[in-house]
Amino acid sequence: DVKVTQSSRYLVKRTGEKVFLECVQDMDHENMFWYRQDPGLGLRLIYFSYDVKMKEKGDIPEGYSVSREKKERFSLILESASTNQTSMYLCAGTGDNYGYTFGSGTRLTVV
Amino acid sequence: GENVEQHPSTLSVQEGDSAVIKCTYSDSASNYFPWYKQELGKGPQLIIDIRSNVGEKKDQRIAVTLNKTAKHFSLHITETQPEDSAVYFCAASTQGGSEKLVFGKGTKLTVNP
Repeated sequence: DVKVTQSSRYLVKRTGEKVFLECVQDMDHENMFWYRQDPGLGLRLIYFSYDVKMKEKGDIPEGYSVSREKKERFSLILESASTNQTSMYLCAGTGDNYGYTFGSGTRLTVV
Repeated sequence: GENVEQHPSTLSVQEGDSAVIKCTYSDSASNYFPWYKQELGKGPQLIIDIRSNVGEKKDQRIAVTLNKTAKHFSLHITETQPEDSAVYFCAASTQGGSEKLVFGKGTKLTVNP
């Protein structure tokens, strides 16, 4: 079974803090994604990466950046956390001919 | 870009009844349509998918149908059980599923015992 692991299930951070959300996959495939999930808005794509050191903006990249130094790890960075970034964050990985595998999610609260 | 609309946003059925969730997409180049189930406190899990060269696919109590002309696809769950209660998401991709997916906003299904 393929696995995508997000390091934290719950996080509480203060406004203005720099926040790192970590995601690791064991699929040895290139493609990884970060989504945020909000009630009534579904899943919205923040950033994605198709290879090491490669990143592309999704639909809502403002206020976020990412890092992909190794194939298995894709980090989401909130440069200066704000209350409107309180959300559920989902990481996913995928490869050839099969759909996404999601992590369990990180529920981030910014106070 | 692609836009996926999903209806209804909430659905309540009695145990044993069928449930149908519908999605429409805008990009005629889309060729991969997965459905995900998200249980409380968990990430979404793929339950079934269909590619554009197929009109229907079944897996036990779950089926998906695709109408490429009308650009819509549907999830059908028969003989619903309380454990089917969850949020369901449809999605579409123009790149075969290994790359970017566009999701619908989700349907909260409640199966009443």
